[in-house]
Amino acid sequence: QSALTQPASVSGSPGQSITISCSGTSSDIGAYRYVSWYQQHPGKAPKLLISDVGNRPSGVSNRFSGSKSGNTASLTISGLQAEDEADYFCSAYISGATTVVFGGGTKLTVL
Amino acid sequence: QVQLQESGPGLVKPSETLSLTCAVSGYSISSDYYWGWIRQPPGKGLEWIGNIYPSGSAYYNPSLRGRVTLSIDTSKNQFSLKLSSVTAADTAVYYCVRDSQYAIRALFDYWGQGTLVTVSS
Repeated sequence: QSALTQPASVSGSPGQSITISCSGTSSDIGAYRYVSWYQQHPGKAPKLLISDVGNRPSGVSNRFSGSKSGNTASLTISGLQAEDEADYFCSAYISGATTVVFGGGTKLTVL
Repeated sequence: QVQLQESGPGLVKPSETLSLTCAVSGYSISSDYYWGWIRQPPGKGLEWIGNIYPSGSAYYNPSLRGRVTLSIDTSKNQFSLKLSSVTAADTAVYYCVRDSQYAIRALFDYWGQGTLVTVSS
């Protein structure tokens, strides 16, 4: 199984919006709505931001939103804040194989 | 409040077996959720290792199949990971996690703090 494809880095200024893409195939992202996004600050465990493409768990800011089109999922962060500087990972379920795959991760820099 | 805590040796010799246990508190693992392991080599991305259901049914990353075994002990409210024939490439922070209820959905809502396992002689 191949990892999902994410840009290595993105950046934005405070208050701006940024979007991180996560490209897969018709066997993972394109097959189900089982796509999640995680935020990881240095030295910390990842935190679930988005589940099932676009659902925000309780306690997650509404500045974070997720969507999917075909075999590509996207995470949008609006109103960028300094605290959003972190690594972001997408994950998806692979149909037919009962396995999970992650993206390589995207480092977000808030300028 | 669901809490997960990994435990096990922080140093394993090459060719030996890595063994970790995840103790769960605040929730009964005999309920219908999948529990799993994810690892992260230093400075790199996340890699799913596998998930296990309370019934004992387990699913593994194909790249690790043959070396990895997950088990679950509902009486102790914990689950475990064994990875055999380790090499330096298995050096990573290992996280135990909770996935979804009834199905694997890549939805890891609770994470342990992670434990660094180094493979070195």
